[in-house]
Amino acid sequence: EDKVVQSPLSLVVHEGDTVTLNCSYEVTNFRSLLWYKQEKKAPTFLFMLTSSGIEKKSGRLSSILDKKELFSILNITATQTGDSAIYLCAVNTNAGKSTFGDGTTLTVKP
Amino acid sequence: GAVVSQHPSRVICKSGTSVKIECRSLDFQATTMFWYRQFPKQSLMLMATSNEGSKATYEQGVEKDKFLINHASLTLSTLTVTSAHPEDSSFYICSARDLGGRARQFFGPGTRLTVL
Repeated sequence: EDKVVQSPLSLVVHEGDTVTLNCSYEVTNFRSLLWYKQEKKAPTFLFMLTSSGIEKKSGRLSSILDKKELFSILNITATQTGDSAIYLCAVNTNAGKSTFGDGTTLTVKP
Repeated sequence: GAVVSQHPSRVICKSGTSVKIECRSLDFQATTMFWYRQFPKQSLMLMATSNEGSKATYEQGVEKDKFLINHASLTLSTLTVTSAHPEDSSFYICSARDLGGRARQFFGPGTRLTVL
């Protein structure tokens, strides 16, 4: 059975802190790993990772995938209150299946 | 974590037919379920919010007569794509919110619909 585990479940930090969110997976026929940010309605797509060791960056957010150890991390530097959200990790397989993790709830306090 | 299943995982149908997709919360009760459609570039669009025992709330631009949602019990919501057309081909994902204090959302594995 495909499995995606995110940690921690929730995290409270202060503005300016750097956070690292973890996503580990066990799936058959891995194709890609995706990170989403969910605030209100639909999750917003952040990154898609397919290759090991290549960092994807967007502003203060960055992510990297390790296909050997089967995990990915999402880093947020200089956090702001607007970064408060649930961060979801999902893994897609070649069979077209998507498995979501339970998410990490990030709260950034002023 | 909690488990949400979707059935079927893949469906191919002819244009003009209707397709029903089921979303079940397997080990928890969900008063609210959400239906999403995934577009190219991985973006997810919320189609509707389904509440047990009441009518679903549709997002702007989503035709309620085309995408029928029924939430008959605390563990089951169905999405029926009526008179499907090729442009309805997509990946449909449901999620369910548990009744617990944290009210977290758990996502299903998705259903790939292909309309020929």
